[in-house]
Amino acid sequence: SQTIHQWPATLVQPVGSPLSLECTVEGTSNPNLYWYRQAAGRGLQLLFYSVGIGQISSEVPQNLSASRPQDRQFILSSKKLLLSDSGFYLCAWSLGLAGTYEQYFGPGTRLTVT
Amino acid sequence: TQLLEQSPQFLSIQEGENLTVYCNSSSVFSSLQWYRQEPGEGPVLLVTVVTGGEVKKLKRLTFQFGDARKDSSLHITAAQPGDTGLYLCAGEGTSYDKVIFGPGTSLSVIP
Repeated sequence: SQTIHQWPATLVQPVGSPLSLECTVEGTSNPNLYWYRQAAGRGLQLLFYSVGIGQISSEVPQNLSASRPQDRQFILSSKKLLLSDSGFYLCAWSLGLAGTYEQYFGPGTRLTVT
Repeated sequence: TQLLEQSPQFLSIQEGENLTVYCNSSSVFSSLQWYRQEPGEGPVLLVTVVTGGEVKKLKRLTFQFGDARKDSSLHITAAQPGDTGLYLCAGEGTSYDKVIFGPGTSLSVIP
């Protein structure tokens, strides 16, 4: 069966510090991978998605970036965090063209920028 | 740009009551998905509806896809506290490789 991991679970970082969030998927090959951000109790904002190694599509211009160095690894980064970067970050995978775009989410990372 | 709207935004009901939440768009979707999210966790897929007019049941939850594939509803019978959470709909439309999420309906079932 497939599993998706995210770490860290929680993170408190000062304004201006760098960020690296990691997501890995097990039990599937060549998945589509996604990064979402969620404000408290509200819907999901798609930040980046990737259909393959090194292929990144950005949905929202901002000071965040994403990379996919391996088939089942997706990283969200920032060089300098802003207060507005606080939120709940979710990684997800889908089968993509091999199936549907049903999303399978990780447990999330709660980021607080102080 | 395809958008999904959900109503109501918030819903608080007593245990045992029935409820319906809605997901609407002016655009056609090839399929719609429903997710439930509990606080502090990632959303979990409940169901996918694909065919216009399709009805799917998951225990006390009934999902329907509109005939024109522009809207969907989720009906919960005899709600229980365990149904509490954020209900999100998401559509597969003209944008490949991704889905579009609605803003969600926050449901609270009071014992």
